[in-house]
Amino acid sequence: SQQGEEDPQALSIQEGENATMNCSYKTSINNLQWYRQNSGRGLVHLILIRSNEREKHSGRLRVTLDTSKKSSSLLITASRAADTASYFCAPLDTGRRALTFGSGTRLQVQP
Amino acid sequence: DTEVTQTPKHLVMGMTNKKSLKCEQHMGHRAMYWYKQKAKKPPELMFVYSYEKLSINESVPSRFSPECPNSSLLNLHLHALQPEDSALYLCASSQAQNRVDTQYFGPGTRLTVL
Repeated sequence: SQQGEEDPQALSIQEGENATMNCSYKTSINNLQWYRQNSGRGLVHLILIRSNEREKHSGRLRVTLDTSKKSSSLLITASRAADTASYFCAPLDTGRRALTFGSGTRLQVQP
Repeated sequence: DTEVTQTPKHLVMGMTNKKSLKCEQHMGHRAMYWYKQKAKKPPELMFVYSYEKLSINESVPSRFSPECPNSSLLNLHLHALQPEDSALYLCASSQAQNRVDTQYFGPGTRLTVL
């Protein structure tokens, strides 16, 4: 089944810096979603990008999608300590009707 | 109201116990999901209900038994679990399964099997 592979697995930055996380996947997708999870809590939907879109913004978040390379990136600008969390990509492949989550990136933002 | 609630927050059970996890949403969503998440791993899909009917079962052992009594409620009945079943169990909902857009997650139930 479809699963994203995320890179890096862990990222530590200072407050105010930008954080970039990458996701690669294997097959054709309908859309790709990004979720955040604070430690031991439920996931929160951040942004969805459809297969015919190349870039999308939401507040301090910027997501890109390159279907030719089967990859996506999530950029968080001007990071804050509150952004400390795990971030998961979830590519939805065209043959499947449920999300499969990638391995995740653990982001630590130092105040 | 964009909230999915789950009870209990924590559950400790022995291998011979029977317990149930509960999930509720009042957003009018017609698709509901159970996920299992081990520490430092991504959530893994267990079951999907669409319009109160079981749509996907990801080859989950029969000691996990889902139930969808109505469009707002989703239960997960647990029986004869193993210690390796200890995990965070997450419930989620979305508008409809044929439009897999935003999923709304509950805070999870932390299950410990002794």
